[in-house]
Amino acid sequence: DAMVIQNPRYQVTQFGKPVTLSCSQTLNHNVMYWYQQKSSQAPKLLFHYYDKDFNNEADTPDNFQSRRPNTSFCFLDIRSPGLGDAAMYLCATSNTGARGDTQYFGPGTRLTVL
Amino acid sequence: GEDVEQSLFLSVREGDSSVINCTYTDSSSTYLYWYKQEPGAGLQLLTYIFSNMDMKQDQRLTVLLNKKDKHLSLRIADTQTGDSAIYFCADTGRRALTFGSGTRLQVQP
Repeated sequence: DAMVIQNPRYQVTQFGKPVTLSCSQTLNHNVMYWYQQKSSQAPKLLFHYYDKDFNNEADTPDNFQSRRPNTSFCFLDIRSPGLGDAAMYLCATSNTGARGDTQYFGPGTRLTVL
Repeated sequence: GEDVEQSLFLSVREGDSSVINCTYTDSSSTYLYWYKQEPGAGLQLLTYIFSNMDMKQDQRLTVLLNKKDKHLSLRIADTQTGDSAIYFCADTGRRALTFGSGTRLQVQP
């Protein structure tokens, strides 16, 4: 019954070691989002895909990249994780991405950087 | 800029009503949302209200919107210990959501 699935739920990586987080959806939604949420803070949008069209937020560091090989899957790549990248990473989807279109969130991946 | 603000903490006794408040600045917001986040989990959509509505009720949840003052509230009737979580309001001033900082609701038995 899961609609937005994130794997793994917990990820531990070493400082500077590349890591990839995965998101998949069964809703067939056009738009997929990646948010970063640090402890006790609001989720912050990193980027989103409208279909295959990638949209980066202006303040998203270059260290963060994303891939969307097909409608169902979207990946977040962190090329050289720093201690400040430890956070919960949330994937969300929406049908059209239009203003007011409801976003559905996955359970998140908690990233620890040692 | 677009800002969404919430109080950080609310403590209530089980069985009481909880009211969580939110203010936003973007007058063009069309939908306003309430999400719930339990510890270590993702965001669960609770309810939303369209900007041309004043009130929406959904079982124990009541959302009030004062568009003139850009004030949104979430009332939880008969609050239970399972309602303990962080509650985020969010507006849709942009293509993506703009979240408040979240209100931590603590329900005491």
